[in-house]
Amino acid sequence: NAGVTQTPKFQVLKTGQSMTLQCAQDMNHNSMYWYRQDPGMGLRLIYYSASEGTTDKGEVPNGYNVSRLNKREFSLRLESAAPSQTSVYFCASSEADSREDEQFFGPGTRLTVL
Amino acid sequence: DAKTTQPTSMDCAEGRAANLPCNHSTISGNEYVYWYRQIHSQGPQYIIHGLKNNETNEMASLIITEDRKSSTLILPHATLRDTAVYYCIVRAYNDMRFGAGTRLTVKP
Repeated sequence: NAGVTQTPKFQVLKTGQSMTLQCAQDMNHNSMYWYRQDPGMGLRLIYYSASEGTTDKGEVPNGYNVSRLNKREFSLRLESAAPSQTSVYFCASSEADSREDEQFFGPGTRLTVL
Repeated sequence: DAKTTQPTSMDCAEGRAANLPCNHSTISGNEYVYWYRQIHSQGPQYIIHGLKNNETNEMASLIITEDRKSSTLILPHATLRDTAVYYCIVRAYNDMRFGAGTRLTVKP
């Protein structure tokens, strides 16, 4: 039982390049989330998927797109990377999109945009 | 706009209880209090959560005041491995907003 896995672990992009961050969970959770964490700061929600087939914007969605591929997988895409998107990206999942359900986090993807 | 206020940093002696305070004076009746921690740059780790009553699990205890305007996370016997940033979060549905947290350093 791996929990939440993320690929890649590290990535360096040039400004304007695109890439997709992958996230998968094996806990049969319904809800999945993408956060970013800038140095010295807490996490901020980018997008979330309350259930398979639905996605919604979080606090900082600009410059990102997401796809809930199936119940297990939730990907985050940067269409045209900018230096301001240099950050650590965390994926999380929970049984339901409920205030009563804790979120489980992956190990993160460290992205640098030059 | 942060819903919680936490001290920036705290120290604790190994083996002693670590008491981490959090103020959330604007909390609504349906919002839960959650605690997570982040060790180095790993993904945040869930610790405990509660609504009104005090809660305890194998990791920690959560004490919520009667008016729910503040809470305290208690690690009963801190170890060096408990050195981390601890986040107090007031949560309604997907809106789990992390602030800057408290950096707890456990010292030998």
